[in-house]
Formats: sequence, structure tokens, C-alpha cells
Amino acid sequence: DVKVTQSSRYLVKRTGEKVFLECVQDMDHENMFWYRQDPGLGLRLIYFSYDVKMKEKGDIPEGYSVSREKKERFSLILESASTNQTSMYLCASSRDSRMNTEAFFGQGTRLTVV
Amino acid sequence: GNSVTQMEGPVTLSEEAFLTINCTYTATGYPSLFWYVQYPGEGLQLLLKATKADDKGSNKGFEATYRKETTSFHLEKGSVQVSDSAVYFCALSDRGNTDKLIFGTGTRLQVFP
Repeated sequence: DVKVTQSSRYLVKRTGEKVFLECVQDMDHENMFWYRQDPGLGLRLIYFSYDVKMKEKGDIPEGYSVSREKKERFSLILESASTNQTSMYLCASSRDSRMNTEAFFGQGTRLTVV
Repeated sequence: GNSVTQMEGPVTLSEEAFLTINCTYTATGYPSLFWYVQYPGEGLQLLLKATKADDKGSNKGFEATYRKETTSFHLEKGSVQVSDSAVYFCALSDRGNTDKLIFGTGTRLQVFP
């Protein structure tokens, strides 16, 4: 069974902390994505990566960075957490675009910044 | 840029009612279109997809047809069940250099017995 695993379901962090959200996929997918999900706004793309060490900004990259040192792992980093980053974070992966396949999602990490 | 617009919810229905959730898109080129579903406490999972004009995606009694002339991909089901209660997201993939998925805001469906 294909799987995208996010390291935590729930996190509570303090303002100003550096926060790491980890995502691992076991499908050898080229593409990986980080979205945040907020009520009334749907899913908004933060960053995506189409290869190891490659990254591109999505629609809302401010306040975030990412790391992809290995194909299976894609980390989202909040350099200095703020209360407006309280949200649900979803990781996804998919095959190379020419294969035209679906994206698979993790179960999400609900982050609260206090 | 590319975008997806879907009807606001919640949509509240009785069991066995007919469901339509509207979705329209704006895109350059020929995107693939998707419906994803999110059950309570879970991540998103693919419900159905269509990759070219006039394609019909179907799964679990749900259907959607890729209409290029109206730039729409409406989700339908003839008879909903309580277990269909979830949030439904319409999405497109711009199929450029990457499979970046662009989502609508989601529509919550509540089905009552």
C-alpha cells in the first residue's frame, strides 16, 4: 500500500521557535509538495520539489523554507514560528508530470503556535 | 494564472438525495482535473480524475465530466449515503514542468439519515 507519512499529527510550538515538519514517501516519487489548509481558503501550495535538492516556491512561501536531501524525504521548516502559521499542513507526492498520475497525501500535521 | 472555483458549502442532504457540487476552472493549455475527498481526521485521497476534454471520471458512484467548452468539472452522485459526508476538493494540474496541483476552497457535504 502506498504511503506518505508525516512525522506528527499534532504539534504545539511557541512563537519564535524553529519548527521542522517531516514527510516521507515510500513510492519513489519525483515530486513532493507542502500545502497548508485553512478554513475557507482550501489548500495553498507553500513549496514543491521535483527532484533531490531542487525546490520551487509555491503561492505562499514567506516564512517557510524546505529541504530535500533524499528522494523520499521532504522537510518543511518554519524559521521563526508565528501565530499566523497555526494551520493544518499537508504533504503530498506524485510521479513525474509526464506520467500524469495522482498525488498521494499524508494525514496532515495540525500545528498550533502559541 | 490557473485557478479553481467551487461552490461554497456546506451542502446538506438527506440520504438517497441527488448530489451536485459545481466546479469551474481557469487554465492555459489542457490541464488534468481531479476531485479529492477528505474524510474527518484524514488527509486527502483521490476520488476521480479526467485528463482530457469529454473524459468522464467515475468512482464509488460519483461522476464528473471534463467540459472544455464550459470549463467545468461538476461532481455528481445519484444517491448519497451518510458515509459520503466529507469535504470535497476540485483541483487541476497544470502539467507544465511539474504536477503542481491547484485546489478549490473545498465543499463540505453533510448527509443525514
